[in-house]
Amino acid sequence: NAGVTQTPKFRILKIGQSMTLQCTQDMNHNYMYWYRQDPGMGLKLIYYSVGAGITDKGEVPNGYNVSRSTTEDFPLRLELAAPSQTSVYFCASSYSSAGGQETQYFGPGTRLLVL
Amino acid sequence: GESVGLHLPTLSVQEGDNSIINCAYSNSASDYFIWYKQESGKGPQFIIDIRSNMDKRQGQRVTVLLNKTVKHLSLQIAATQPGDSAVYFCAENRVPSGGGADGLTFGKGTHLIIQP
Repeated sequence: NAGVTQTPKFRILKIGQSMTLQCTQDMNHNYMYWYRQDPGMGLKLIYYSVGAGITDKGEVPNGYNVSRSTTEDFPLRLELAAPSQTSVYFCASSYSSAGGQETQYFGPGTRLLVL
Repeated sequence: GESVGLHLPTLSVQEGDNSIINCAYSNSASDYFIWYKQESGKGPQFIIDIRSNMDKRQGQRVTVLLNKTVKHLSLQIAATQPGDSAVYFCAENRVPSGGGADGLTFGKGTHLIIQP
């Protein structure tokens, strides 16, 4: 299994541009997440999804949108890039059942610089 | 709001020594705790986890201790190696009473430096 993969690895955007960060997992996990990590800080949850067609806001959702049309894919959309969105973005997935949620596995991250 | 925090931003230990990384949490409703290791330029990597019905859990060279009375979590790494140099994050997960997921709440991290 490739696990959680993210593309691109690095991107520079101009203020006001838009882009989509791609995330795919091949572990058949039902839960997927997007986090951002600012320098020297921990990760903060942007959006998450508990299954195809279901998404919900996390701690810092403003300026972002997500969709979950398939179990495998969970793209993150930035419509109007702002310098405050300069960060490293991590996608994660996990399996949750009636027994509780299991460990989250993270992708390698996408580094985004907005100028 | 509720948060997870770490006591020390940087911890330096000699190669071969044991290291202890501490974490305080404030959400008494949290029932699942995880330690992640993050190397430079990489995503967080799972190390070990513990549920709130346990006090201690051991893995390979790592032990996690949970003290619910004082809301404290620690990660012990035995016989540290150069490859252990990384930033270590504790994270908590609070499962809503209605089910579902609200993600993990991360602390800021502790940078573990292994000196030769």
